[in-house]
Amino acid sequence: DAGITQSPRHKVTETGTPVTLRCHQTENHRYMYWYRQDPGHGLRLIHYSYGVKDTDKGEVSDGYSVSRSKTEDFLLTLESATSSQTSVYFCAISKTGLNNEQFFGPGTRLTVL
Amino acid sequence: AQSVTQLDSQVPVFEEAPVELRCNYSSSVSVYLFWYVQYPNQGLQLLLKYLSGSTLVESINGFEAEFNKSQTSFHLRKPSVHISDTAEYFCAVISQGGSEKLVFGKGTKLTVNP
Repeated sequence: DAGITQSPRHKVTETGTPVTLRCHQTENHRYMYWYRQDPGHGLRLIHYSYGVKDTDKGEVSDGYSVSRSKTEDFLLTLESATSSQTSVYFCAISKTGLNNEQFFGPGTRLTVL
Repeated sequence: AQSVTQLDSQVPVFEEAPVELRCNYSSSVSVYLFWYVQYPNQGLQLLLKYLSGSTLVESINGFEAEFNKSQTSFHLRKPSVHISDTAEYFCAVISQGGSEKLVFGKGTKLTVNP
């Protein structure tokens, strides 16, 4: 299995509070991604990174920000959580962004009350 | 931009029966195609992928998928399913030469009943 960990694995928070999810990899892969998974929507890309300090938006980036200060860590921040951000969040990594396989982390289940 | 349509959200089958999970894509450029599997309470794992060459690709656990360019399809098949194949299956597409973003379908939940 690819060395990807996500923390926390479960979190319950209240509307309006800031939340940071962490993705950590030991593979030294260049690309890292944050997705959210919701019933009936599949996986939707939130943000991705193509190198340290290099990030770009995905299709559902509103309300989320990311940072990548080291190759191995990619942080997803919800500045002010809303109930619509209740979801399962997956981190993924790949060597390149094109035809290479993406490896997924175990996911973080976030509930915003 | 690419899009992926998985035509069935749920597919129930009996053990040892054949199954086909359908996937159609839309793209103005050539693409690479993937099938991922997600077992309950786990992340996604790559099942198989089409990059180039033979249009029929196989996985190690008996699944196969065929790339059909004229029909823009990449259907997943298995001739005889097991209880352990119960999972959600996602078709995904990425454009060749330019995009780093994988686009996923909404998933098909396969339930294999005894």
